[in-house]
Amino acid sequence: QKEVEQNSGPLSVPEGAIASLNCTYSDRGSQSFFWYRQYSGKSPELIMFIYSNGDKEDGRFTAQLNKASQYVSLLIRDSQPSDSATYLCASLPTPASGTYKYIFGTGTRLKVLA
Amino acid sequence: GAGVSQSPRYKVAKRGQDVALRCDPISGHVSLFWYQQALGQGPEFLTYFQNEAQLDKSGLPSDRFFAERPEGSVSTLKIQRTQQEDSAVYLCASSFLVDRAYEQYFGPGTRLTVT
Repeated sequence: QKEVEQNSGPLSVPEGAIASLNCTYSDRGSQSFFWYRQYSGKSPELIMFIYSNGDKEDGRFTAQLNKASQYVSLLIRDSQPSDSATYLCASLPTPASGTYKYIFGTGTRLKVLA
Repeated sequence: GAGVSQSPRYKVAKRGQDVALRCDPISGHVSLFWYQQALGQGPEFLTYFQNEAQLDKSGLPSDRFFAERPEGSVSTLKIQRTQQEDSAVYLCASSFLVDRAYEQYFGPGTRLTVT
């Protein structure tokens, strides 16, 4: 079982709708969680990170973390065609001896239909 | 300022050849990460440096893979005797510590094709 799991999609939503992307993780010791956006043929770019239970909002994006359920989500409000990309979830397990070994999921492909 | 740069952007190697991939991090970023990304997959951690110290190399797939960062800035990932399964995009990321996590900035990647 992969340590960070995402549905590969594609997830299709109409323009203006809310896109909901989900991620589960297996390591209860994981401290921080990250959402990256990756356009086809490009490198990942960080959208936001979260490490406390609850919601964290940044513009049209809201990250949600539920450590008891080992579940992270990303909501994109007012989805735009330019949001069409692969969204990668990543976790940072408990650091030991100064290591920061990030674990990425396989990504969910989002399509926003105009 | 300038972002993370990687060179070459594309590399074709015959099976058995050695390759060297270069990463220039953002100036001042002490931490540097290498990842391998196969088609349709997420990035897989290879190794991590803090300054010149390689603190974690647990993700390197075999002893054919070697990474260095001798002066704590530019890093090189070397792959010896390349195999077809090494074909992937190799991503470098540099970062600074923000709050409780590292905010990583990725370079454009080097696409390696082994024929």
